Amino acid sequence: QQQVKQSPQSLIVQKGGISIINCAYENTAFDYFPWYQQFPGKGPALLIAIRPDVSEKKEGRFTISFNKSAKQFSLHIMDSQPGDSATYFCAASCRYNTNAGKSTFGDGTTLTVKP
Amino acid sequence: NAGVTQTPKFQVLKTGQSMTLQCAQDMNHEYMSWYRQDPGMGLRLIHYSVGAGITDQGEVPNGYNVSRSTTEDFPLRLLSAAPSQTSVYFCASSVGQPSNQPQHFGDGTRLSIL
Repeated sequence: QQQVKQSPQSLIVQKGGISIINCAYENTAFDYFPWYQQFPGKGPALLIAIRPDVSEKKEGRFTISFNKSAKQFSLHIMDSQPGDSATYFCAASCRYNTNAGKSTFGDGTTLTVKP
Repeated sequence: NAGVTQTPKFQVLKTGQSMTLQCAQDMNHEYMSWYRQDPGMGLRLIHYSVGAGITDQGEVPNGYNVSRSTTEDFPLRLLSAAPSQTSVYFCASSVGQPSNQPQHFGDGTRLSIL
């Protein structure tokens, strides 16, 4: 049972456009939602993260929007640049219960930003 | 500051061979994990450790062993390699549980089993 579903699988955006990647989760115990960015040949690196006590978090051109009732969260990349071309993973984890500390990852979205 | 270092970067094995993937971190992180990444499947947790001497299974532990004798090192052993274990393996560490702290990943080991 996949606990975190990510969409779309791939995304092509023009330079300067907005990239939007969505994730939906099932486990209401999840309380930490990070996004990771991965360039070819490299490991994932934390981009931005959010907890369910806030509905939005912004860091530069990157924004996480969180909808607790819908069990969804999304990554928005404003003014997308060719250097943003990478694979993006959402993840979710919880601090308690038998799965405490374990992260569940989405399947990833490959973003291509065209010049 | 090296962060998380994985060796080797690439490896080709024959079915039935054994090998150890090395992972070392220099950030004094207590929590370390091993993931495998397959096309279109994201990252799946193999084994993890909450500190030296303590390990536990993740989502896909079969065919893999781990040990944690020091805080710095967390090797992953393939006992008898199978083609289904062809994948990219990532080691990660965090100062605390990944539910509270971001994970720092190595650059991966690309493993092919023939």
